[in-house]
Amino acid sequence: ETGVTQSPTHLIKTRGQQVTLRCSSQSGHNTVSWYQQALGQGPQFIFQYYREEENGRGNFPPRFSGLQFPNYSSELNVNALELDDSALYLCASSSGVMEETQYFGPGTRLLVL
Amino acid sequence: SQQGEEDPQALSIQEGENATMNCSYKTSINNLQWYRQNSGRGLVHLILIRSNEREKHSGRLRVTLDTSKKSSSLLITASRAADTASYFCASQHTGNQFYFGTGTSLTVIP
Repeated sequence: ETGVTQSPTHLIKTRGQQVTLRCSSQSGHNTVSWYQQALGQGPQFIFQYYREEENGRGNFPPRFSGLQFPNYSSELNVNALELDDSALYLCASSSGVMEETQYFGPGTRLLVL
Repeated sequence: SQQGEEDPQALSIQEGENATMNCSYKTSINNLQWYRQNSGRGLVHLILIRSNEREKHSGRLRVTLDTSKKSSSLLITASRAADTASYFCASQHTGNQFYFGTGTSLTVIP
């Protein structure tokens, strides 16, 4: 157990809807990164938040957005869901942007119908 | 895409044998890490090797890094059925951004 929690564990949505996924970082960690993992693929970096500010973004459209709160928990929001958004969404926390080790949560599995 | 490649995609071995998986990445790195994932759940950090290191050991794990070839390998010795999982390499570049490989699915047959 890493101390990183995510909710919900599973979610089913329909195309065009919006979804919010949540992540609670490990105690003492101020940096949260989000990843999308399609079936049979490696995780792809979506973005990172450090002290409530976005600190880097991967190749994802603007309909993927996020927030980080003062307690360093984080949300990933996806608007106008598409079928290809079906994936496992992972968050990882670390104690700083230069910290080498990330600790991953169990993930949220999203299915878009 | 910054995503690296891993091979083989799938590997099936008998318990007690060694398992070797390889990873290639695209641009210069600060470090390279290996993770394990069971049944599509969260990733567990296994071992990290920095760009100025060539080999590292941790228990039954041995990782090598060749920065001239932009490649790394993970060796699991004396494999166990409990080692059955997917294994991913992740290269760390500027800041704290990681780029994962495509993964190797390892099956260890008891």
